[in-house]
Amino acid sequence: EVQLVESGGGLVQPGGSLRLSCAASGFSFSGSWMSWVRQAPGKGLEWVTNINPEGSEKYYVDSVKGRFTISRDNANNSLYLQMNSLSAEDTAVYHCARVRILSSRSLFDSWGQGTLVTVSS
Amino acid sequence: DIVMTQSPDSLAVSLGERATINCKSSQSVLNSSNNKNSLAWYQQRPGQPPKLLIYWASTRESGVPDRFSGSGSGTDFTLTISSLQAEDVAVYYCQQHYDTPTFGQGTKLEIK
Repeated sequence: EVQLVESGGGLVQPGGSLRLSCAASGFSFSGSWMSWVRQAPGKGLEWVTNINPEGSEKYYVDSVKGRFTISRDNANNSLYLQMNSLSAEDTAVYHCARVRILSSRSLFDSWGQGTLVTVSS
Repeated sequence: DIVMTQSPDSLAVSLGERATINCKSSQSVLNSSNNKNSLAWYQQRPGQPPKLLIYWASTRESGVPDRFSGSGSGTDFTLTISSLQAEDVAVYYCQQHYDTPTFGQGTKLEIK
């Protein structure tokens, strides 16, 4: 059974930083594209970033480019999201998701429960 | 970016009745390489993460009940639940997987 468990969320002040983690199990993590998708309170879903299995290709939504960095540790089946220069607009539940690549594009076939990031003074 | 717009924002359907949710993309998501539409549907039950239901507009994910079906082509798509069950109460999202992934705003489905 695929399991994705996020951690690291919390309350942070505007301009601050936070590092999210996702522990993966039940599938070939080192062979999978992975993603972070966020959901602002009471709102819809927004793709944030993808990373390829080797960690050499990374893609970001425009609103987080230069502030967020995705990374992975295949030896420990872990995915990370380093978030810097946070603003209120980044407040959301951040889900770790396994990516299914179809014709070079992404959809998300397994999701974690998510971790809440609140940016507020 | 491709903008996805769902309708309605919410609907209430009686148990055993049909539920229909619509999704429109701002440009065609027809993949010319395989003549398939790059459109997925997700279900998010209260307090749960999203669950993939359908991709390529009409291909059901393994384990998804056959009362869920997807249809449409080009820019207009529909998710149909043929006979609503209590466990189908959820928010449903469409997502295009033609380009950088984008989602619809969601449709909240309730029991009438």
